[in-house]
Amino acid sequence: QKEVEQNSGPLSVPEGAIASLNCTYSDRGSQSFFWYRQYSGKSPELIMFIYSNGDKEDGRFTAQLNKASQYVSLLIRDSQPSDSATYLCAVKTSGNQFYFGTGTSLTVIP
Amino acid sequence: GAGVSQSPSNKVTEKGKDVELRCDPISGHTALYWYRQSLGQGLEFLIYFQGNSAPDKSGLPSDRFSAERTGGSVSTLTIQRTQQEDSAVYLCASSQGSGRGGVGEQFFGPGTRLTVL
Repeated sequence: QKEVEQNSGPLSVPEGAIASLNCTYSDRGSQSFFWYRQYSGKSPELIMFIYSNGDKEDGRFTAQLNKASQYVSLLIRDSQPSDSATYLCAVKTSGNQFYFGTGTSLTVIP
Repeated sequence: GAGVSQSPSNKVTEKGKDVELRCDPISGHTALYWYRQSLGQGLEFLIYFQGNSAPDKSGLPSDRFSAERTGGSVSTLTIQRTQQEDSAVYLCASSQGSGRGGVGEQFFGPGTRLTVL
């Protein structure tokens, strides 16, 4: 079982819709959770991080964490074509190790 | 201030040759990471440096790979006797704080695209 798992997609949503990206992790003691965006041919850039159960909102982005279910998600409201990218979930485990998922490819259709 | 920089941006080499990839982290960042990303794949952890502690080398795929970090700043990733399967983008990241991953985000450099012919 991989430390961090994501649906590879591709996920396609129409412009203005909500995009929902999901991630599960295996280490129940994991402490910190990160979402990175990676445009084709570019390096990952951090969108959000979350430590506590519940929701964390930043503009059009909302990160949701459920430690009991070992599940973290990213919602993108009012999706824009510029949101088209690969989204990487990353987890810092109880052993202070840092793992990335393989990423979900998102396409926002104008 | 300047972000993480890496050089060269592209490197083409012949099978069997050695290559050196360089990373300049953000000034003051104590943690430095190397990752490898093959086409269409996720990030593969290679090695992690935190301050003056011994590096975490658990991700290095073979003994042909090594890395050092001089003076707690610049890092060099060396691949000896390169193979075609080493072709990938090599990404460096740095962060503040202690412990692998720190307490905050990792800032990534632009990467070095390595092609082994």
